[in-house]
Amino acid sequence: GAGVSQSPRYKVAKRGQDVALRCDPISGHVSLFWYQQALGQGPEFLTYFQNEAQLDKSGLPSDRFFAERPEGSVSTLKIQRTQQEDSAVYLCASSTPGAGYTFGSGTRLTVV
Amino acid sequence: AQSVTQPDIHITVSEGASLELRCNYSYGATPYLFWYVQSPGQGLQLLLKYFSGDTLVQGIKGFEAEFKRSQSSFNLRKPSVHWSDAAEYFCAVELGFQKLVFGTGTRLLVSP
Repeated sequence: GAGVSQSPRYKVAKRGQDVALRCDPISGHVSLFWYQQALGQGPEFLTYFQNEAQLDKSGLPSDRFFAERPEGSVSTLKIQRTQQEDSAVYLCASSTPGAGYTFGSGTRLTVV
Repeated sequence: AQSVTQPDIHITVSEGASLELRCNYSYGATPYLFWYVQSPGQGLQLLLKYFSGDTLVQGIKGFEAEFKRSQSSFNLRKPSVHWSDAAEYFCAVELGFQKLVFGTGTRLLVSP
């Protein structure tokens, strides 16, 4: 596609509920990143894929967070047993060598 | 640890006046540096980037930034601000595998 597409745009989850956030990167982009942006803060790195391989997951805040990209294109970020501190905007970005990052518009997750 | 500091949380500039947004970084090697802009409810748009070479970098929308190694700074400038420039601005440094570390952002307000 022309840009990075994320869905849903907004998600309200009750505490303890599981959520799945989807990222559709630019076609052909090898690298895919997930970032978490808390209110009033800059984005913070969560995890990175090169094709289907998850090369860095050092930013995932707990084992409740899980990301996958099974066929090297679409990626899903899953959060189990959501907590209030998980409320944030989750940004996805894709890139290819020489092209730089393209960010999606994000998914705003609110845990109530 | 690598970090990016944006000392100004908010800046208000009159339309037509010049703008400078400050960014300082802490990074052992020669960094790759970026400025992004984020409008409300939107993803991050790349304004400009510095990899090497000329320390004065031109970007989109009339922005420029100057890399000063001696001051560990990469300040963003624009000679004449337009009302549409009101947004949040983020400075970032790239680590290995294209992972970005962002500052906390500066919110630009433009007064008539």
